[in-house]
Amino acid sequence: AQSVTQLDSQVPVFEEAPVELRCNYSSSVSVYLFWYVQYPNQGLQLLLKYLSGSTLVKGINGFEAEFNKSQTSFHLRKPSVHISDTAEYFCAVSVIGGSNYKLTFGKGTLLTVNP
Amino acid sequence: DAGVIQSPRHEVTEMGQEVTLRCKPISGHDYLFWYRQTMMRGLELLIYFNNNVPIDDSGMPEDRFSAKMPNASFSTLKIQPSEPRDSAVYFCASSSPQGAPYGEQFFGPGTRLTVL
Repeated sequence: AQSVTQLDSQVPVFEEAPVELRCNYSSSVSVYLFWYVQYPNQGLQLLLKYLSGSTLVKGINGFEAEFNKSQTSFHLRKPSVHISDTAEYFCAVSVIGGSNYKLTFGKGTLLTVNP
Repeated sequence: DAGVIQSPRHEVTEMGQEVTLRCKPISGHDYLFWYRQTMMRGLELLIYFNNNVPIDDSGMPEDRFSAKMPNASFSTLKIQPSEPRDSAVYFCASSSPQGAPYGEQFFGPGTRLTVL
């Protein structure tokens, strides 16, 4: 089975500051990795994904994430945040090559950007 | 495209009543997922369908919950009888055949269920 741990439930930052949201996963098989974002009162939307290749992946709205296999981590970063980045961010995994396409999500990190 | 459509957006009911949540996936998407989101347990997959057939229902909490997908454009999640602990936001998501193996799911806005 797979599990995802998001180490911070809440991260408050000031506008234009850098931010890192941490994600660690556990799996006995190889996985794909994802970050989804949920703006207030909306459904989740895909922010970025790591499937293979370069361990640094770029997503929408200036976010990027780095896959570290040895540390089983997939941390999300942005060099300068905006008020509009206030949202909940979910890290997720799915099994590579399996026939079951379910996603396993972490519990989420609420990013609050203050002026 | 209108995206994934869910109805109702809010539902308040009393314990013991039947509740039916509805979902219309994006046209052409043949994977449909039902999730439940609570503060305590986060986002949990309840069940998912491929081509209207349930593939994984291991997350369905108990017999009070049932889900159907009678055709490619409609699915329901039913709770009968409802209990206060079922209070949550229920999301429906859909994926294309190309996107599903790579985790690309499109979520609806959710139904906020409150059971009194």
